[in-house]
Amino acid sequence: AQSVTQLDSHVSVSEGTPVLLRCNYSSSYSPSLFWYVQHPNKGLQLLLKYTSAATLVKGINGFEAEFKKSETSFHLTKPSAHMSDAAEYFCVVSDRDDKIIFGKGTRLHILP
Amino acid sequence: NAGVTQTPKFRILKIGQSMTLQCTQDMNHNYMYWYRQDPGMGLKLIYYSVGAGITDKGEVPNGYNVSRSTTEDFPLRLELAAPSQTSVYFCASRGFSSYNEQFFGPGTRLTVL
Repeated sequence: AQSVTQLDSHVSVSEGTPVLLRCNYSSSYSPSLFWYVQHPNKGLQLLLKYTSAATLVKGINGFEAEFKKSETSFHLTKPSAHMSDAAEYFCVVSDRDDKIIFGKGTRLHILP
Repeated sequence: NAGVTQTPKFRILKIGQSMTLQCTQDMNHNYMYWYRQDPGMGLKLIYYSVGAGITDKGEVPNGYNVSRSTTEDFPLRLELAAPSQTSVYFCASRGFSSYNEQFFGPGTRLTVL
């Protein structure tokens, strides 16, 4: 059975410092993995996705994520946080059974 | 392309009233979904559809109904509104492959008083 665990419900970083949002998954098959961002009172927007090609995936706004099969992880990183990155981030897994599982979300706070 | 559109953006209902949340996509996607998001929480799947004429229940279907008569439209019906249905509702669509990402609408904020 599929599952997604976002290891932190809240993360606070100072502006200009690195961001790490952690996501672990389980899946019976080779999954597709996604990170979405939701800014306050907005819908969800795709940041990046992994679909069995390159394990290091680059997304929008300087974010990237690395698929590590041995660790069943898909952590989201950014070298330097910006105030506009403050938002909720969701890790999502999808497999060939067409089940889509959302993590519970990580709220990213950016400190000035 | 307009993508996924939802109407209305906001609505206040009285207990026991009914309403339909509209969702339309212009990307010819087979898959469509309805989610609800309660304050400070993640998304919960209400219903989904894999194509016109085919719908199935998600995690929290009670109190809701859906239909899918066309590829483009996937309306969500609330028959007897209850305060527990106060939430933000998101519609999403996706292409056929599980490699494809979901595209989300802007949401409908519903309050039941």
